[in-house]
Amino acid sequence: GQNIDQPTEMTATEGAIVQINCTYQTSGFNGLFWYQQHAGEAPTFLSYNVLDGLEEKGRFSSFLSRSKGYSYLLLKELQMKDSASYLCAAPTGGFKTIFGAGTRLFVKA
Amino acid sequence: DAGITQSPRHKVTETGTPVTLRCHQTENHRYMYWYRQDPGHGLRLIHYSYGVKDTDKGEVSDGYSVSRSKTEDFLLTLESATSSQTSVYFCATHRGSHEETNYGYTFGSGTRLTVV
Repeated sequence: GQNIDQPTEMTATEGAIVQINCTYQTSGFNGLFWYQQHAGEAPTFLSYNVLDGLEEKGRFSSFLSRSKGYSYLLLKELQMKDSASYLCAAPTGGFKTIFGAGTRLFVKA
Repeated sequence: DAGITQSPRHKVTETGTPVTLRCHQTENHRYMYWYRQDPGHGLRLIHYSYGVKDTDKGEVSDGYSVSRSKTEDFLLTLESATSSQTSVYFCATHRGSHEETNYGYTFGSGTRLTVV
């Protein structure tokens, strides 16, 4: 079957670094997405990986290992506004996508 | 002007009544999707459309129907609402171009539906 697993909740301190992990099982591979979703709002696109390795975009970086079915999102210099849910998502072909249940990140002062 | 608009934003309805949610886009995207989001389950696909009058089922389609008569509009109907359909419903779009796969989905603001 197709499945995405990620931790339910994480807590980190303002200014620190946090890594949110994601493991996935899909039939075929069409890349991996990370979305950010603040409470009561819509998900918004953060990153997309299709090749192995690290993609850096400002304070956010995303890593992919296709052989291990593993990805992580790295957030540096955490700010209070980074408190949100982070969704790992994998396209399954035909422009459809499955989503993980999301990791709720709490940033404390 | 917002690219995707969902209406209504909030709705309370009674069990057994039909309900229609509307998604309107100005992006001229070919693909449109309806997802529901529930605690512990994440986003689950209900139905999607790959063009005008072309629709298909997702993983949780029972009790829902959709219609797409124009590129801009994708309607989700709960034929006879049940309490298990209390959820937040998100519409999403994608251009449907392989060259733009890496842009991901664009989401509407969501509709919070409560069935009592």
